Amino acid sequence: DTGVSQDPRHKITKRGQNVTFRCDPISEHNRLYWYRQTLGQGPEFLTYFQNEAQLEKSRLLSDRFSAERPKGSFSTLEIQRTEQGDSAMYLCASSLKGLAVRETQYFGPGTRLLVL
Amino acid sequence: DQQVKQNSPSLSVQEGRISILNCDYTNSMFDYFLWYKKYPAEGPTFLISISSIKDKNEDGRFTVFLNKSAKHLSLHIVPSQPGDSAVYFCAASAGGNQFYFGTGTSLTVIP
Repeated sequence: DTGVSQDPRHKITKRGQNVTFRCDPISEHNRLYWYRQTLGQGPEFLTYFQNEAQLEKSRLLSDRFSAERPKGSFSTLEIQRTEQGDSAMYLCASSLKGLAVRETQYFGPGTRLLVL
Repeated sequence: DQQVKQNSPSLSVQEGRISILNCDYTNSMFDYFLWYKKYPAEGPTFLISISSIKDKNEDGRFTVFLNKSAKHLSLHIVPSQPGDSAVYFCAASAGGNQFYFGTGTSLTVIP
Protein backbone atom coordinates (compact mmCIF):
# COMPACT_ATOMS: atom_id res chain seq x y z
CA ASP A 1 0.00 0.00 0.00
CA THR A 2 1.31 3.44 -0.90
CA GLY A 3 -0.27 5.36 1.94
CA VAL A 4 -2.81 8.16 1.89
CA SER A 5 -3.09 10.02 -1.39
CA GLN A 6 -4.74 13.32 -2.19
CA ASP A 7 -5.71 14.94 -5.44
CA PRO A 8 -5.02 17.55 -6.63
CA ARG A 9 -1.85 18.60 -4.86
CA HIS A 10 -2.39 22.23 -5.77
CA LYS A 11 -5.47 24.23 -6.75
CA ILE A 12 -5.77 27.88 -7.71
CA THR A 13 -9.28 29.22 -8.08
CA LYS A 14 -11.11 32.50 -8.23
CA ARG A 15 -13.28 33.71 -5.39
CA GLY A 16 -16.81 32.43 -5.73
CA GLN A 17 -15.90 29.23 -7.57
CA ASN A 18 -16.52 25.74 -6.20
CA VAL A 19 -13.66 23.30 -5.63
CA THR A 20 -13.57 19.60 -4.79
CA PHE A 21 -10.70 17.63 -3.31
CA ARG A 22 -10.31 13.89 -3.16
CA CYS A 23 -8.64 11.67 -0.56
CA ASP A 24 -7.83 7.98 -0.89
CA PRO A 25 -7.02 6.48 2.51
CA ILE A 26 -4.93 3.45 3.37
CA SER A 27 -7.11 0.59 2.19
CA GLU A 28 -7.84 -1.20 5.48
CA HIS A 29 -8.42 2.00 7.47
CA ASN A 30 -11.96 2.61 8.65
CA ARG A 31 -11.55 6.21 9.76
CA LEU A 32 -10.88 9.23 7.58
CA TYR A 33 -10.21 12.76 8.77
CA TRP A 34 -10.06 16.15 7.09
CA TYR A 35 -7.91 18.95 8.51
CA ARG A 36 -7.07 22.47 7.42
CA GLN A 37 -3.66 24.01 8.04
CA THR A 38 -2.74 27.65 7.60
CA LEU A 39 0.70 29.20 7.77
CA GLY A 40 2.25 29.00 11.22
CA GLN A 41 -0.50 26.82 12.61
CA GLY A 42 -0.94 23.15 13.25
CA PRO A 43 -3.60 21.09 11.49
CA GLU A 44 -7.14 22.05 12.58
CA PHE A 45 -9.78 19.34 12.65
CA LEU A 46 -12.66 19.77 10.21
CA THR A 47 -14.55 16.48 10.16
CA TYR A 48 -14.15 12.72 10.29
CA PHE A 49 -15.83 9.57 9.02
CA GLN A 50 -16.03 6.09 10.38
CA ASN A 51 -16.66 3.97 7.31
CA GLU A 52 -19.29 5.96 5.39
CA ALA A 53 -20.78 7.73 8.41
CA GLN A 54 -19.76 11.31 9.13
CA LEU A 55 -19.53 11.27 12.92
CA GLU A 56 -18.27 14.72 13.86
CA LYS A 57 -17.94 18.15 12.30
CA SER A 58 -16.01 21.09 13.66
CA ARG A 59 -17.67 24.46 14.02
CA LEU A 60 -14.92 25.60 11.63
CA LEU A 61 -16.81 23.74 8.92
CA SER A 62 -19.23 26.34 7.57
CA ASP A 63 -22.23 25.39 5.47
CA ARG A 64 -20.14 26.09 2.36
CA PHE A 65 -18.12 22.98 3.17
CA SER A 66 -19.39 19.48 2.60
CA ALA A 67 -17.64 16.15 2.84
CA GLU A 68 -18.67 12.70 1.74
CA ARG A 69 -17.35 9.19 1.94
CA PRO A 70 -19.98 7.35 -0.07
CA LYS A 71 -18.73 3.77 0.08
CA GLY A 72 -16.50 4.01 3.09
CA SER A 73 -13.38 4.22 0.92
CA PHE A 74 -12.33 7.49 -0.73
CA SER A 75 -13.67 10.83 0.45
CA THR A 76 -14.34 14.19 -1.18
CA LEU A 77 -14.31 17.64 0.38
CA GLU A 78 -16.19 20.33 -1.52
CA ILE A 79 -16.00 24.05 -0.85
CA GLN A 80 -18.72 26.11 -2.46
CA ARG A 81 -18.45 29.82 -3.22
CA THR A 82 -14.81 29.94 -2.16
CA GLU A 83 -13.50 32.93 -0.24
CA GLN A 84 -9.94 34.18 0.10
CA GLY A 85 -9.96 33.02 3.73
CA ASP A 86 -10.34 29.45 2.50
CA SER A 87 -6.77 29.55 1.19
CA ALA A 88 -4.94 26.87 3.16
CA MET A 89 -3.50 23.38 3.02
CA TYR A 90 -6.22 20.74 3.27
CA LEU A 91 -4.94 17.54 4.80
CA CYS A 92 -6.54 14.14 4.85
CA ALA A 93 -5.61 11.42 7.32
CA SER A 94 -6.75 7.87 7.85
CA SER A 95 -6.57 5.46 10.76
CA LEU A 96 -7.67 2.05 11.91
CA LYS A 97 -9.96 2.27 14.89
CA GLY A 98 -10.60 -0.99 16.66
CA LEU A 99 -11.36 -2.21 20.15
CA ALA A 100 -7.79 -3.10 20.99
CA VAL A 101 -5.94 -0.75 18.68
CA ARG A 102 -4.85 2.68 19.82
CA GLU A 103 -5.48 4.99 16.92
CA THR A 104 -2.67 6.61 14.96
CA GLN A 105 -3.49 8.89 12.05
CA TYR A 106 -1.51 8.72 8.84
CA PHE A 107 -1.56 11.83 6.71
CA GLY A 108 -1.61 12.42 3.00
CA PRO A 109 0.55 15.07 1.30
CA GLY A 110 -2.25 17.64 1.33
CA THR A 111 -3.95 19.85 -1.23
CA ARG A 112 -2.82 23.45 -1.24
CA LEU A 113 -5.67 25.80 -2.14
CA LEU A 114 -5.16 29.39 -3.21
CA VAL A 115 -8.24 31.54 -3.70
CA LEU A 116 -7.60 34.68 -5.71
CA ASP B 1 -8.77 28.23 22.35
CA GLN B 2 -5.45 26.46 21.86
CA GLN B 3 -5.57 23.30 23.94
CA VAL B 4 -2.16 22.13 22.81
CA LYS B 5 0.70 24.62 22.81
CA GLN B 6 4.22 24.55 21.51
CA ASN B 7 5.76 27.74 22.79
CA SER B 8 9.05 27.50 20.92
CA PRO B 9 8.53 28.21 17.24
CA SER B 10 12.10 27.22 16.40
CA LEU B 11 15.10 25.36 17.76
CA SER B 12 18.66 24.96 16.47
CA VAL B 13 20.91 22.13 17.62
CA GLN B 14 24.35 20.90 16.64
CA GLU B 15 24.55 17.52 14.95
CA GLY B 16 25.14 14.75 17.48
CA ARG B 17 23.67 16.70 20.39
CA ILE B 18 20.27 16.24 22.00
CA SER B 19 17.17 18.01 20.67
CA ILE B 20 14.39 18.62 23.17
CA LEU B 21 11.02 19.74 21.88
CA ASN B 22 8.34 20.75 24.35
CA CYS B 23 4.58 20.70 24.35
CA ASP B 24 2.01 21.81 26.94
CA TYR B 25 -1.68 21.05 27.07
CA THR B 26 -4.61 22.36 29.03
CA ASN B 27 -7.25 19.62 28.79
CA SER B 28 -6.87 17.10 31.61
CA MET B 29 -9.07 14.65 29.66
CA PHE B 30 -6.36 14.11 27.04
CA ASP B 31 -5.17 10.53 27.33
CA TYR B 32 -3.19 9.92 24.16
CA PHE B 33 -0.37 12.00 22.74
CA LEU B 34 1.52 11.84 19.47
CA TRP B 35 4.44 13.55 17.77
CA TYR B 36 4.54 14.16 14.04
CA LYS B 37 7.32 15.39 11.81
CA LYS B 38 6.61 17.48 8.73
CA TYR B 39 8.86 18.30 5.81
CA PRO B 40 7.93 21.15 3.43
CA ALA B 41 5.31 20.22 0.83
CA GLU B 42 4.52 16.94 2.59
CA GLY B 43 1.91 15.84 5.08
CA PRO B 44 2.85 15.16 8.71
CA THR B 45 4.54 11.81 9.35
CA PHE B 46 3.84 9.90 12.56
CA LEU B 47 6.89 9.58 14.83
CA ILE B 48 5.98 8.29 18.26
CA SER B 49 3.06 8.19 20.66
CA ILE B 50 2.39 7.76 24.36
CA SER B 51 -0.64 6.81 26.38
CA SER B 52 -1.43 8.61 29.62
CA ILE B 53 -0.85 5.39 31.57
CA LYS B 54 2.85 5.68 30.80
CA ASP B 55 5.39 8.41 31.46
CA LYS B 56 7.97 7.41 28.88
CA ASN B 57 8.07 5.75 25.50
CA GLU B 58 11.19 5.11 23.49
CA ASP B 59 11.72 4.24 19.83
CA GLY B 60 15.30 4.30 18.63
CA ARG B 61 16.66 7.82 18.82
CA PHE B 62 13.26 9.23 19.82
CA THR B 63 11.90 9.31 23.37
CA VAL B 64 8.71 10.95 24.52
CA PHE B 65 8.24 11.91 28.16
CA LEU B 66 4.86 12.69 29.70
CA ASN B 67 4.37 14.65 32.93
CA LYS B 68 0.64 14.50 33.60
CA SER B 69 0.72 16.66 36.71
CA ALA B 70 2.39 19.45 34.77
CA LYS B 71 0.37 18.74 31.60
CA HIS B 72 3.63 18.68 29.69
CA LEU B 73 5.27 16.37 27.23
CA SER B 74 8.60 16.48 25.51
CA LEU B 75 10.31 14.76 22.61
CA HIS B 76 14.00 13.97 22.92
CA ILE B 77 16.05 13.17 19.83
CA VAL B 78 19.48 11.71 20.54
CA PRO B 79 21.75 12.02 18.67
CA SER B 80 20.33 14.69 16.39
CA GLN B 81 21.01 14.32 12.68
CA PRO B 82 20.70 16.84 9.82
CA GLY B 83 17.85 14.75 8.38
CA ASP B 84 15.86 15.48 11.53
CA SER B 85 15.49 19.10 10.42
CA ALA B 86 11.74 19.56 10.01
CA VAL B 87 8.70 20.99 11.77
CA TYR B 88 7.55 18.89 14.71
CA PHE B 89 3.93 18.88 15.87
CA CYS B 90 2.56 17.40 19.05
CA ALA B 91 -1.05 16.25 19.10
CA ALA B 92 -3.44 15.05 21.78
CA SER B 93 -6.80 13.36 21.99
CA ALA B 94 -9.37 12.53 24.64
CA GLY B 95 -10.96 9.20 23.90
CA GLY B 96 -9.47 8.89 20.44
CA ASN B 97 -11.81 10.88 18.23
CA GLN B 98 -10.80 14.46 17.56
CA PHE B 99 -7.07 15.21 17.64
CA TYR B 100 -5.75 18.63 18.65
CA PHE B 101 -2.43 19.81 17.27
CA GLY B 102 0.07 22.33 18.50
CA THR B 103 1.46 25.08 16.27
CA GLY B 104 4.72 23.28 15.64
CA THR B 105 8.41 23.76 16.36
CA SER B 106 10.85 24.10 13.49
CA LEU B 107 14.01 22.11 14.28
CA THR B 108 17.26 22.83 12.49
CA VAL B 109 20.14 20.44 13.04
CA ILE B 110 23.40 22.09 12.12
CA PRO B 111 26.05 19.80 10.60
